[in-house]
Amino acid sequence: EAGVAQSPRYKIIEKRQSVAFWCNPISGHATLYWYQQILGQGPKLLIQFQNNGVVDDSQLPKDRFSAERLKGVDSTLKIQPAKLEDSAVYLCASSSGLAGGPGNEQFFGPGTRLTVL
Amino acid sequence: AQSVTQPDIHITVSEGASLELRCNYSYGATPYLFWYVQSPGQGLQLLLKYFSGDTLVQGIKGFEAEFKRSQSSFNLRKPSVHWSDAAEYFCAVGAQGAQKLVFGQGTRLTINP
Repeated sequence: EAGVAQSPRYKIIEKRQSVAFWCNPISGHATLYWYQQILGQGPKLLIQFQNNGVVDDSQLPKDRFSAERLKGVDSTLKIQPAKLEDSAVYLCASSSGLAGGPGNEQFFGPGTRLTVL
Repeated sequence: AQSVTQPDIHITVSEGASLELRCNYSYGATPYLFWYVQSPGQGLQLLLKYFSGDTLVQGIKGFEAEFKRSQSSFNLRKPSVHWSDAAEYFCAVGAQGAQKLVFGQGTRLTINP
């Protein structure tokens, strides 16, 4: 079974530029998550999708971050314009369970390391 | 809201020695608890999880964790570490089942030969 795929693996941009990350979850997984992991910290949930609908985006900085999951499969996360403090690893995860369901393991991709100069 | 504290930022142990990584959580309801491991440049891999039942949970790679409700703790243990265990370890608490995870800041484990 293929795991969660993410691209690119690394990205370096200058502040005020825009950037987009792509995630392909495990086939058949209904729930998809984007996390931000700043160096030295644990991952922080940015947004959670159930199929192609948003379940939780309470911690997404909506003035600059946006995400979509068209057709309930792949997802893209965009930052526009980027700030220095956006430098982090962006992790995508997926799970087979429905929102609110117990005990569904989240499978993580390798992440995209973003450096904003 | 739930929160997780991992008191130790960095731990060094010798190969073959025992290991215990600490995790304390705060959550108003019955917690769903997890330990993940992250190797450099890799995503997170689930080591073990606790939802209910036996408070001693066995995981992969020889790890185990014990849930202690009275201490709000979920410490990770391994009787004998291997050099390949060097990595970052994250404790997480789940609300609404496992659908929303809050992670601790992580503990970096270094193994001395």
